[in-house]
Amino acid sequence: DSGVTQTPKHLITATGQRVTLRCSPRSGDLSVYWYQQSLDQGLQFLIQYYNGEERAKGNILERFSAQQFPDLHSELNLSSLELGDSALYFCASSFSPVGYTEAFFGQGTRLTVV
Amino acid sequence: ILNVEQSPQSLHVQEGDSTNFTCSFPSSNFYALHWYRWETAKSPEALFVMTLNGDEKKKGRISATLNTKEGYSYLYIKGSQPEDSATYLCAFYNNNDMRFGAGTRLTVKP
Repeated sequence: DSGVTQTPKHLITATGQRVTLRCSPRSGDLSVYWYQQSLDQGLQFLIQYYNGEERAKGNILERFSAQQFPDLHSELNLSSLELGDSALYFCASSFSPVGYTEAFFGQGTRLTVV
Repeated sequence: ILNVEQSPQSLHVQEGDSTNFTCSFPSSNFYALHWYRWETAKSPEALFVMTLNGDEKKKGRISATLNTKEGYSYLYIKGSQPEDSATYLCAFYNNNDMRFGAGTRLTVKP
């Protein structure tokens, strides 16, 4: 158990809908990363939050947004969903904001858009 | 755009063989390089965090080296075992971005 909790584990929704994925980081970790793994694709970095502030942005679509709350949990909001958004979404947490400490991954949320 | 390359893409070895993989990354604006082990149906698990040029890290039969000036890191597995079968990912960090390589998929045959 990495100490990182992601909910829900599975989500099935229709095109055009909006969903929210939740991530609770390991106790003491200030940084949360979000990643997407689509079919036959590697891990794509979406966005990073550190202590409540957005710190780095990767290949995140405009339809997607995220935030980190004062208790450090984070939510990834995906809207106007398309079939191609079906993927495994991971979050990871770490203490350092710039990769100086190891990152711990949650078990992922598998999103299926039908 | 950060380009992180891993080679080979896949590798099949016999139990007991030693093997190594390469991760190439931009040599400028380097902050850190991570190695992860990713088993099927699980989430990536951190192996090493490397931050200084010349770093050498070891965990059991697995070790890694780092050359930030030329932009590469090697991961070595000594005496491969079937339980080492997994995808090995490297991740490059600079100040405001990070990228994963596509991974090297290792299969160790008994």
